[in-house]
Amino acid sequence: GAVVSQHPSRVICKSGTSVKIECRSLDFQATTMFWYRQFPKQSLMLMATSNEGSKATYEQGVEKDKFLINHASLTLSTLTVTSAHPEDSSFYICSAREPGRVNTEAFFGQGTRLTVV
Amino acid sequence: AQKVTQAQTEISVVEKEDVTLDCVYETRDTTYYLFWYKQPPSGELVFLIRRNSFDEQNEISGRYSWNFQKSTSSFNFTITASQVVDSAVYFCALSEGRSGYSTLTFGKGTMLLVSP
Repeated sequence: GAVVSQHPSRVICKSGTSVKIECRSLDFQATTMFWYRQFPKQSLMLMATSNEGSKATYEQGVEKDKFLINHASLTLSTLTVTSAHPEDSSFYICSAREPGRVNTEAFFGQGTRLTVV
Repeated sequence: AQKVTQAQTEISVVEKEDVTLDCVYETRDTTYYLFWYKQPPSGELVFLIRRNSFDEQNEISGRYSWNFQKSTSSFNFTITASQVVDSAVYFCALSEGRSGYSTLTFGKGTMLLVSP
């Protein structure tokens, strides 16, 4: 099956710094990728839809200047948490679907656990 | 708007017991897809099953089985003879069928604890 790789799996950063998370589709080209956020013991909440070559679509309440998404190629989307604060500490996970395969399972990356100190 | 409800926050069973995880969904679409994912402590999401709205056949895969009933908008998941390795959070999710890239709406998840 298709594989989505996310890096890093775990990151600790200082408050005020920025952190970049990468999501790669390894054996298919993903025109669309999704970014989710999960707080401890809670569900996954969609943050934004990343579209290759165009601006991301953000869900209501998600600050686009805070969470910068770039989808520069068909195999890579990045999420940058800018000026991170402790409340940004969370589990971030991306997913992608193979083009042309309608509503197949979404393939998920391994997730990134961000801790801001 | 679509919604997924997993009323059971946490379930504890002893190994070899059968356990059923409930999932109730809401959607206005006639075409939709239902999913179950497993999230072990490591965090990754493991795909378990996808079912479309036109296929109400129950499915069995080893110790796992799923009961899809449109009449009650439910898609329940049963683990037979549970094992310690089944301990994880299980998410039910819904995707509406209007777009090939429609997003997944997740339930809040059910944490399953299987003790020896």
